Amino acid sequence: GESVGLHLPTLSVQEGDNSIINCAYSNSASDYFIWYKQESGKGPQFIIDIRSNMDKRQGQRVTVLLNKTVKHLSLQIAATQPGDSAVYFCAENGSGNTGKLIFGQGTTLQVKP
Amino acid sequence: ETGVTQTPRHLVMGMTNKKSLKCEQHLGHNAMYWYKQSAKKPLELMFVYNFKEQTENNSVPSRFSPECPNSSHLFLHLHTLQPEDSALYLCASSSGSTGTQYFGPGTRLLVL
Repeated sequence: GESVGLHLPTLSVQEGDNSIINCAYSNSASDYFIWYKQESGKGPQFIIDIRSNMDKRQGQRVTVLLNKTVKHLSLQIAATQPGDSAVYFCAENGSGNTGKLIFGQGTTLQVKP
Repeated sequence: ETGVTQTPRHLVMGMTNKKSLKCEQHLGHNAMYWYKQSAKKPLELMFVYNFKEQTENNSVPSRFSPECPNSSHLFLHLHTLQPEDSALYLCASSSGSTGTQYFGPGTRLLVL
């Protein structure tokens, strides 16, 4: 079945270091991928997305990498700050254009001062 | 703020109560979604509406009844819920069914 998984439930990094959060997906028909950030008491917040015709996309301090060969997605955060502490979810659109997103379980990023 | 609001933010209800969750989006989107978020589980899609028409019901029990009177408003009517229905209920909207989904802050529901 379709599933999206993250490799680590928790990632702890030092403030100022770079963070890498990984995600594996199973549906090779997925052509759209999104990263969301969810802080405590809030809904998921869109960070960055990427389509399958690209392998890299950069935003402000964030970079998403897509490796379709091994069905792997990663989110890199440069110079991690305490405000980056949150749960990060990857999502894929699966097969078809139904609007149905399939979410991973999330990785909790803890930033140590 | 994402432009998607939800009320109430917190709700405690008994198993025999009837309550409704409300979602409103100010983004001009035409697709709206209900998700359930339980601890230690991925977000679960419940319903999808596109131009007020329900296009997805992800095998949700009938004690959850959605209503979409227009493209800006979405309701989730609740009755005779079970304690295992306690969760964070998130609303999202997007421009078209394939657009990026933007989430509201959620309603934290506790069923006693």
